[in-house]
Amino acid sequence: DQQVKQNSPSLSVQEGRISILNCDYTNSMFDYFLWYKKYPAEGPTFLISISSIKDKNEDGRFTVFLNKSAKHLSLHIVPSQPGDSAVYFCAASIGNEKLTFGTGTRLTIIP
Amino acid sequence: DTGVSQDPRHKITKRGQNVTFRCDPISEHNRLYWYRQTLGQGPEFLTYFQNEAQLEKSRLLSDRFSAERPKGSFSTLEIQRTEQGDSAMYLCASSSGDRYGYTFGSGTRLTVV
Repeated sequence: DQQVKQNSPSLSVQEGRISILNCDYTNSMFDYFLWYKKYPAEGPTFLISISSIKDKNEDGRFTVFLNKSAKHLSLHIVPSQPGDSAVYFCAASIGNEKLTFGTGTRLTIIP
Repeated sequence: DTGVSQDPRHKITKRGQNVTFRCDPISEHNRLYWYRQTLGQGPEFLTYFQNEAQLEKSRLLSDRFSAERPKGSFSTLEIQRTEQGDSAMYLCASSSGDRYGYTFGSGTRLTVV
C-alpha cells in the first residue's frame, strides 16, 4: 500500500530552468509534508516542508505547493543548478511522527 | 556536534550470521528512528524511540530484528540469522520533535552473501 507516490522516476532539466517534482498521497490524515534530497552513499538531507494548514512555503530557490483537495504536492526549484542533481524524496507524516516516503525522483540538471 | 553518526558504513556478511549496527544521534535529540532503504525505493520506517522507550515497531521488523536505545543515547539495531533479503541501506535519524524534519545519518549498507 503505497501511501506516498512519486510517479516520475526521473526528470532532466536544463540549467537555469525550473524543475518541478510531483508527489501524490492517499492518506488524508497526513498533516505534514517534507522534501528530502539524497546523494549516493549519503543519508537524505532535509530541504523544505509544509504544514497541511498552508498551501505554499518558500525557501530561497525552493518552493513547495500543497493541494489538499487533490492530495498533491510539488517542489519547484528555480533556477535549477548542476548541484541540484540528486534523488528527491517526498515524505509525509501524521503528527510529526514517523515519515512515509515516496519512491523518489532522480533529477538531472543539464549544463 | 557532527550530526548523526552510523557505524559501520558498510557491512558484508554471510547468510545466517548476526550483525549489529550502531547509531549515535545528535546529542540534544530525544527521538531516534531506524529506516531501511532498498534499491529503487524510498526509506521505510522500522522503529522509533523517544528517549530509551521504543514506542513503535513496523510490521517490517520481524522477530529477527531487535533495536535498543539504552539510557536514551546511542542505539543499536541487531539482525539475527541474516537473509539475502536483508540486504539494504539501514538509515538512522534523530529529531528533537519540532517541525523541521529529521537529521539522517549516512547509513549502513548491508550486503548478505
